[in-house]
Amino acid sequence: AQSVTQLDSHVSVSEGTPVLLRCNYSSSYSPSLFWYVQHPNKGLQLLLKYTSAATLVKGINGFEAEFKKSETSFHLTKPSAHMSDAAEYFCVVSQGNTPLVFGKGTRLSVIA
Amino acid sequence: DGGITQSPKYLFRKEGQNVTLSCEQNLNHDAMYWYRQDPGQGLRLIYYSQIVNDFQKGDIAEGYSVSREKKESFPLTVTSAQKNPTAFYLCASSIAGQINYGYTFGSGTRLTVV
Repeated sequence: AQSVTQLDSHVSVSEGTPVLLRCNYSSSYSPSLFWYVQHPNKGLQLLLKYTSAATLVKGINGFEAEFKKSETSFHLTKPSAHMSDAAEYFCVVSQGNTPLVFGKGTRLSVIA
Repeated sequence: DGGITQSPKYLFRKEGQNVTLSCEQNLNHDAMYWYRQDPGQGLRLIYYSQIVNDFQKGDIAEGYSVSREKKESFPLTVTSAQKNPTAFYLCASSIAGQINYGYTFGSGTRLTVV
């Protein structure tokens, strides 16, 4: 069965500094990987997805993630944090046609 | 605009009552899902349906029931058998067989037991 581990439950950065949210996955064969963002009391919005094409995936709002098979990682990055980036971020894996499996989330705080 | 509508946004339940959460989509998606979200737990799958009149249990189905009589609708009933129903509930949909496109989510229902 597939799974994801988000290595940090909470990350705090200063506005204008880089963001790194870490995710490792476990999957028996080629997975699809996603990052979703959730603002308080809202639904989830898709940031980006990897589906076996380019290993560096660009998403919305300046976020990107790199699929590294050798490290079974799919870390989310952004060069410069903005106050509006403060939210909960979920790393997600899917394999074949099975339902998405979510990590436990990383709460990103951005300090002015 | 196409999307998923969950209602109500907030719901209060007394001990021993059943309550039903509504989820409607106009995206023409075949597959629909219910997830439960608790702080620090991520999203856990309750039930999913890939076609009308068929659904499967997820990881935490006990105390919940669903129906899928129409493609657009996938209501979730939280029964009195669910011991700790206070949570944020999210409904999602996708094109069946194309999960690699990801899901579209509703804005959620927050259920509180009083």
